Amino acid sequence: EDQVTQSPEALRLQEGESSSLNCSYTVSGLRGLFWYRQDPGKGPEFLFTLYSAGEEKEKERLKATLTKKESFLHITAPKPEDSATYLCAVQGVNTGNQFYFGTGTSLTVIP
Amino acid sequence: DTGVSQNPRHKITKRGQNVTFRCDPISEHNRLYWYRQTLGQGPEFLTYFQNEAQLEKSRLLSDRFSAERPKGSFSTLEIQRTEQGDSAMYLCATLWAVGGEQFFGPGTRLTVL
Repeated sequence: EDQVTQSPEALRLQEGESSSLNCSYTVSGLRGLFWYRQDPGKGPEFLFTLYSAGEEKEKERLKATLTKKESFLHITAPKPEDSATYLCAVQGVNTGNQFYFGTGTSLTVIP
Repeated sequence: DTGVSQNPRHKITKRGQNVTFRCDPISEHNRLYWYRQTLGQGPEFLTYFQNEAQLEKSRLLSDRFSAERPKGSFSTLEIQRTEQGDSAMYLCATLWAVGGEQFFGPGTRLTVL
């Protein structure tokens, strides 16, 4: 079965202190890897899709990268408004239409 | 608003009662998912529709749960004889094509007393 493991579970950063979140995955044929941001009490908000190893995507202070076993979400010079839970999900070619989510990384950026 | 909408946003019920949630997808999206999410966990897949056809259901899904998508538009998720363990956020997500990203609704927060 496809699996996703995210680390760390929680991360506290000072404003401006760059860091990376990790998403390790096991899937039989990757159809896509997805990053979402989720604020408390709300539905996840789509950030990026990555399809193949070596691919990178960037949006404001966020950059997502992909290898054959893991993905990183790099946060450069974070601001307090970047505080949220970041979720990673995968969809495999051989596992129908299901998406498998990790448990997320809870990010807190301190002013 | 052209996003995914869900109603109600909050539902409090007593154990043993039936509840029904509604999801209205983005109009061009023919694929619709229901998820359950508890505190500190990622969304857990419940069921998937392509147009009006329910193509996949989680093996973990109790037979107290049923979902429909008449005419391939809005969808409903019903939970019969609710239990306290059903307390969670129920999320609906839709997408346009295979390999594409899902767009989530705001969720329905269910509390079973």
